[in-house]
Amino acid sequence: DADVTQTPRNRITKTGKRIMLECSQTKGHDRMYWYRQDPGLGLRLIYYSFDVKDINKGEISDGYSVSRQAQAKFSLSLESAIPNQTALYFCATSDSPSLGELLYEQYFGPGTRLTVT
Amino acid sequence: AQKVTQAQTEISVVEKEDVTLDCVYETRDTTYYLFWYKQPPSGELVFLIRRNSFDEQNEISGRYSWNFQKSTSSFNFTITASQVVDSAVYFCALSEPPGSARQLTFGSGTQLTVLP
Repeated sequence: DADVTQTPRNRITKTGKRIMLECSQTKGHDRMYWYRQDPGLGLRLIYYSFDVKDINKGEISDGYSVSRQAQAKFSLSLESAIPNQTALYFCATSDSPSLGELLYEQYFGPGTRLTVT
Repeated sequence: AQKVTQAQTEISVVEKEDVTLDCVYETRDTTYYLFWYKQPPSGELVFLIRRNSFDEQNEISGRYSWNFQKSTSSFNFTITASQVVDSAVYFCALSEPPGSARQLTFGSGTQLTVLP
């Protein structure tokens, strides 16, 4: 089984609808992230969470919200979807750095392709 | 501001050729980390390597090797004897300072196509 799973894998929704993307991980990592990937713009961070009670805005958080329900679960919500939120969304996890380290590599889920019409 | 440049947008090689993917970065930090990720046509992102700024030793893993040179701010990736399965988009990434809203700055990626 995959260490980082995302549901759904594909979703088509209409403008104005609320939608939730879910992420679960079995890696035991404390840190979780949500990114979006757009052609020509690369990967951009939406929100990140260093533990259940620590949630931080990323580079492009407007229009999105998140919930960290447990160490293993981190969901992303679009309260009122708009067409320019059409993108490939990735969840990622990483271990918390040990003393002397700044950060570790992130492990990504398979992605959710979201289309807003 | 942090910046990662992957100047090669697309590269096409024939199977068994060696290919080098370039990555040049800009940072004011003295401690930082560099990463390479692979995104095959199936879409997932696969972690390949993490290197900290104090470790300039080159690394080899099978057909993959990485050349880190702080003097030129480069972290290049070479695939030896390329195979069709190496066809993917490859991203280089640079760590952001603690507390940053980005965590990682990604390059724009290099699309590698290996022809049979």
